[in-house]
Amino acid sequence: DIQMTQSPSSLSASVGDRVTITCRASQSISSYLNWYQQKPGKAPKLLIYAASSLQSGVPSRFSGSGSGTDFTLTISSLQPEDFATYYCQQSYSTLGTFGQGTKLEIK
Amino acid sequence: QLQLQESGPGLVKPSETLSLTCTVSGGSISSSSYYWGWIRQPPGKGLEWIGSIYYSGSTYYNPSLKSRVTISVDTSKNQFSLKLSSVTAADTAVYYCARPTQQWLVRLWGQGTLVTVSS
Repeated sequence: DIQMTQSPSSLSASVGDRVTITCRASQSISSYLNWYQQKPGKAPKLLIYAASSLQSGVPSRFSGSGSGTDFTLTISSLQPEDFATYYCQQSYSTLGTFGQGTKLEIK
Repeated sequence: QLQLQESGPGLVKPSETLSLTCTVSGGSISSSSYYWGWIRQPPGKGLEWIGSIYYSGSTYYNPSLKSRVTISVDTSKNQFSLKLSSVTAADTAVYYCARPTQQWLVRLWGQGTLVTVSS
């Protein structure tokens, strides 16, 4: 099984801040890495796929990078609606495991 | 536009079978190139794949749940279903139906339904 580890588990930041969330895979997954945003009581929403491709309709302040085992999600300038929980997901192997999540809170 | 909607009991007794249905509207469940699947999220915790089924009938199950899970498709009703047997309190979660791509990323989700396992 491929394990996905996100850091940090939680993060406090202010509107306008630049924020980076990291995801590490237990083995190389090439660029098969996706990022989701989840708000309370809602289903997750796909933000980034294939490590760095922006899903249609997602603001350009979101970006992804990385390959192999180490990946990052960056929000260039936090907006009030960005406070949520973020999950990475590897899609290298069948079904594709998720990371444990990073909760982004308002400072 | 394609939409997914979960339905089923919100309360299941321990040792019984959890049964959920996902109704697909706005399109055909028989469309090629997509899977249909179930993902769950225990309260306050992360996301876990339960399994998925291809339109042709091929199934893929999470190894940790495989012995208890059955996913099936009913093309006549445009629905797919989840059965999870011998449930315990650890199976209490929000259950999402989803349409993953062949690369296992999910752009389309149902709204989710909370299933509580309790006597």
